[in-house]
Amino acid sequence: ETGVTQTPRHLVMGMTNKKSLKCEQHLGHNAMYWYKQSAKKPLELMFVYSLEERVENNSVPSRFSPECPNSSHLFLHLHTLQPEDSALYLCASSQERGLEAFFGQGTRLTVV
Amino acid sequence: AQSVTQLGSHVSVSEGALVLLRCNYSSSVPPYLFWYVQYPNQGLQLLLKYTTGATLVKGINGFEAEFKKSETSFHLTKPSAHMSDAAEYFCAVSFSSNTGKLIFGQGTTLQVKP
Repeated sequence: ETGVTQTPRHLVMGMTNKKSLKCEQHLGHNAMYWYKQSAKKPLELMFVYSLEERVENNSVPSRFSPECPNSSHLFLHLHTLQPEDSALYLCASSQERGLEAFFGQGTRLTVV
Repeated sequence: AQSVTQLGSHVSVSEGALVLLRCNYSSSVPPYLFWYVQYPNQGLQLLLKYTTGATLVKGINGFEAEFKKSETSFHLTKPSAHMSDAAEYFCAVSFSSNTGKLIFGQGTTLQVKP
């Protein structure tokens, strides 16, 4: 398998649930990212990891908790989300920070 | 502040017509510039990029873009639109390799009419 893979593709969760999004990259890249894409809004960068170290957190609420156990895997742990958190969550990776990013197909999250 | 602006949230062209999607950026340092395409319920796919060197860059699917420093622009063009080009297009910029921040424009939805 090549590229950036995200699972699940679709997720419906209640506001009291805990769930996790998974991202795996098979490109040997050193940086990984989480983006949020909401309707009629620009792509929002949430977190940046470089060599498994979090280097940026764009004022994301604590109900979103990222984890990068190694350079190939990135998780986004979700807890007590709000309906306005419903969006497409995109994972991406790049060889180095600031170079072109390669995106996964996203997880369509619906919070009910 | 560094930013990216895509002029026109929706562009409609006829099949076979020229496609022109506009992107302007503001920055005091040399940028890296990118165009991405997104089909419904999919991730973003890189169309082309400019880092250094030749200012006219060619990408996939017959698209090209030209970096014009004096106009702070990086407009995307394709001579002849195809129905399969209908999608959302994003311009993005980063300003140095040690920040990791790709800043995206708001996106332009391209409609191709038969």
